[in-house]
Order: sequence, then C-alpha cells, then structure tokens
Amino acid sequence: SQQGEEDPQALSIQEGENATMNCSYKTSINNLQWYRQNSGRGLVHLILIRSNEREKHSGRLRVTLDTSKKSSSLLITASRAADTASYFCATSLWGAQKLVFGQGTRLTINP
Amino acid sequence: DTGVSQNPRHKITKRGQNVTFRCDPISEHNRLYWYRQTLGQGPEFLTYFQNEAQLEKSRLLSDRFSAERPKGSFSTLEIQRTEQGDSAMYLCASTSLGTGAYRDEKLFFGSGTQLSVL
Repeated sequence: SQQGEEDPQALSIQEGENATMNCSYKTSINNLQWYRQNSGRGLVHLILIRSNEREKHSGRLRVTLDTSKKSSSLLITASRAADTASYFCATSLWGAQKLVFGQGTRLTINP
Repeated sequence: DTGVSQNPRHKITKRGQNVTFRCDPISEHNRLYWYRQTLGQGPEFLTYFQNEAQLEKSRLLSDRFSAERPKGSFSTLEIQRTEQGDSAMYLCASTSLGTGAYRDEKLFFGSGTQLSVL
C-alpha cells in the first residue's frame, strides 16, 4: 500500500515554464522527501522537508508542506528538457523505519 | 564513493526458476533497503537491514522471497520458484542512520535489476 497520492499523474509543459506537482498523504509524518527517476534508472534524492518546516528551496526547486492538509507541493521553475522524468514523493512516518512512496508524476518538458 | 551498485542489471528467467540479485551499498552506510517497482508505480517496500540484522519485512512479501546481508556489507535478494507476477524492477538503496529526533536520512538508490519472468 502506498501512503502518498500524487497529482497530476502526468504533466507536459513547454521548456521554460514552471511545473508544479502535488502530493497528499494520510498519516502523521517525520519528514517528506521528493525523488526523481529517469526512465529505467534508480531514484535520485532531490529535497527533504521536515514536519516542522513549511517551505524549502534548493536551486530551481521549491517544496512546501502543509501538515494540516497533509499535502506537499514541488515546484520546478524555468524547466529544462533534462527535467523530463518521473517525480515521487516519499513519506517518513513517526515510529517507522522506511520511506513510503507515492505513485509519481510523469513530467515531460517539450523543447 | 562509487554509489550503490546492483547486479545484474537485467535478468530474464523462466517461470519456476530461482534468481538471486546482489546489491553493494555505499561502504559507510549501515542501513540497506530493498524495494520493488512495477511499470507506472512507485517503489514498494520489501525489507530492510540495519547492519546484518533484517529488521522488517513487508507483510506482502511471499515466503518465496529471502534476503541476506552477511557481515553488514553487500546484500542478496533471492526469489524462489519465480512467477510471472514477480516481473518488476528490484531496487536497492542505502543510507546512514541519523541520531537526532528528526531522521533526515535520504536514500541512495542503485540503478536496479529488471527481472522478466517468462
């Protein structure tokens, strides 16, 4: 079973535009992480936000967390063709020792 | 630091055969995870090790699956009597366990082993 639900399942935008992906979860979390996966490859960690944080930035990435709504969003600004990948949110639950992944958003950046 | 290494990258087998995958984690990482991923889905947790101890195994995991991590270094995942439903990407990840109240461990993934059961 997967804790996170991501929206949209697929997103296609033009290069240079901003891309926003959303993740909702069900139970209290320790932290929430975002990962990227290129086709046929392993996942790469992008950014982590703790449950007591509301927003974090890393380069062109901005993550927000709303624990009252049990949701997070990942914004990629000024998208590039190389950003084409699947993006997954993963939650670390209090008292649990594993990350639980959502189903992912497939992002396509059109040149 | 060469990252997490998984072998083989691809495995094709016939139904009923046994297969074994290997994962070499980042050397200083004490925690190792196995996940399974099918097309269009997110990774699904299978099991994890803290050093050589297997501390959790998914309730969804059939008893045909077994994993080991001898001496707390590399790990193997064996599937016995494979079924077509076992076809998936098997991902290994490693990390170092933090000590603070907030566990900020991020996972480092290998490139996976793609299993096809015919």
